[in-house]
Amino acid sequence: GQNIDQPTEMTATEGAIVQINCTYQTSGFNGLFWYQQHAGEAPTFLSYNVLDGLEEKGRFSSFLSRSKGYSYLLLKELQMKDSASYLCAPMDSNYQLIWGAGTKLIIKP
Amino acid sequence: GAVVSQHPSRVICKSGTSVKIECRSLDFQATTMFWYRQFPKQSLMLMATSNEGSKATYEQGVEKDKFLINHASLTLSTLTVTSAHPEDSSFYICSATGLAGGDSYEQYFGPGTRLTVT
Repeated sequence: GQNIDQPTEMTATEGAIVQINCTYQTSGFNGLFWYQQHAGEAPTFLSYNVLDGLEEKGRFSSFLSRSKGYSYLLLKELQMKDSASYLCAPMDSNYQLIWGAGTKLIIKP
Repeated sequence: GAVVSQHPSRVICKSGTSVKIECRSLDFQATTMFWYRQFPKQSLMLMATSNEGSKATYEQGVEKDKFLINHASLTLSTLTVTSAHPEDSSFYICSATGLAGGDSYEQYFGPGTRLTVT
């Protein structure tokens, strides 16, 4: 079967760094996306990894290890507006995104 | 670039009526559009995938006669919830992939439609 495993909820402090881990199992693999979703809103794209390694984009970085079925999203210099759910979504052999429930990140002052 | 709009953003309808939700790609041609439903605190659930000019492919458990999808052009897809019931109340989100530049398989999401059936 296909499944995603992320922590349900994480809490971090404004200005700090947080790493959200994701492990996945899919039928085939065509890359992995990270999306941010604020409550009551649609997801917005953060990153896409198809090769192993780290992709850095401003305060956000995403890492992928295909052999381990593992990815993480690293958020630096946390801001209050970063409070949201973060969705790890691998793409299977049919180019379909597989969605988990995401990780709710709570930022405290 | 790569903007997807949805209309309406919120709709309240009475049980038994039908509701149409529009999804438009504003600045690119969407070869494939996806319709999702999301209940509170749950993950996105893919309802169907549609390619321009062909019939939509529905996920298991999604009634094709109840959720009518039309993808008549490269910039417009519509979802019609027929004979709506209170249990259809949810957040409906469309997304699109196509010739938008960047990563070719990135899904660009619309802002979503909050449907409430009374």
